[in-house]
Amino acid sequence: EAQVTQNPRYLITVTGKKLTVTCSQNMNHEYMSWYRQDPGLGLRQIYYSMNVEVTDKGDVPEGYKVSRKEKRNFPLILESPSPNQTSLYFCASSLVAPAYNEQFFGPGTRLTVL
Amino acid sequence: ILNVEQSPQSLHVQEGDSTNFTCSFPSSNFYALHWYRWETAKSPEALFVMTLNGDEKKKGRISATLNTKEGYSYLYIKGSQPEDSATYLCAFITRGSQGNLIFGKGTKLSVKP
Repeated sequence: EAQVTQNPRYLITVTGKKLTVTCSQNMNHEYMSWYRQDPGLGLRQIYYSMNVEVTDKGDVPEGYKVSRKEKRNFPLILESPSPNQTSLYFCASSLVAPAYNEQFFGPGTRLTVL
Repeated sequence: ILNVEQSPQSLHVQEGDSTNFTCSFPSSNFYALHWYRWETAKSPEALFVMTLNGDEKKKGRISATLNTKEGYSYLYIKGSQPEDSATYLCAFITRGSQGNLIFGKGTKLSVKP
């Protein structure tokens, strides 16, 4: 089944403890992206990747890192999480640049930072 | 900072009503517009990708139009059904940053049986 998977789906952690949220797609998509969803603020893009080894900042990249070493995976790294990073996170992918193709979203990861 | 506005914020209609809502975006440097449907406790699902001025797309009872010169897109739902209840999101892409999607805050539609 063609899909975008994220792990973990739920995570409660403490301030400063490094964590990684994984994202994987099995559709051979070139483009991948991370978003966060906060009440009243809508979906905001954190980072995106047009292809392997190519990543760019979205609108809210502070406090996050990403890497794209292989096409299928695009992990989101929080080196030192803080409570303001408590949010619902979505990974998404599209065949090529999203100007031409729809995005497919993962199931979401709900992160709480205490 | 580019801004994408959606109106209304929420909408309550009766089953069978037709409805529409608006996505407004900066008209300069337009490259593409996405529409998504987002049901509670699920992930957003793509409805349309629109790129050309005057574009009109249709999927079942849902259709969308695009006016890039004046910077707006309309989403129409004909004969709303309870299963259409969801938040509808639009996302704007500029010519200078083709991987960067800027989402509006959405229109939450509730359809009463």
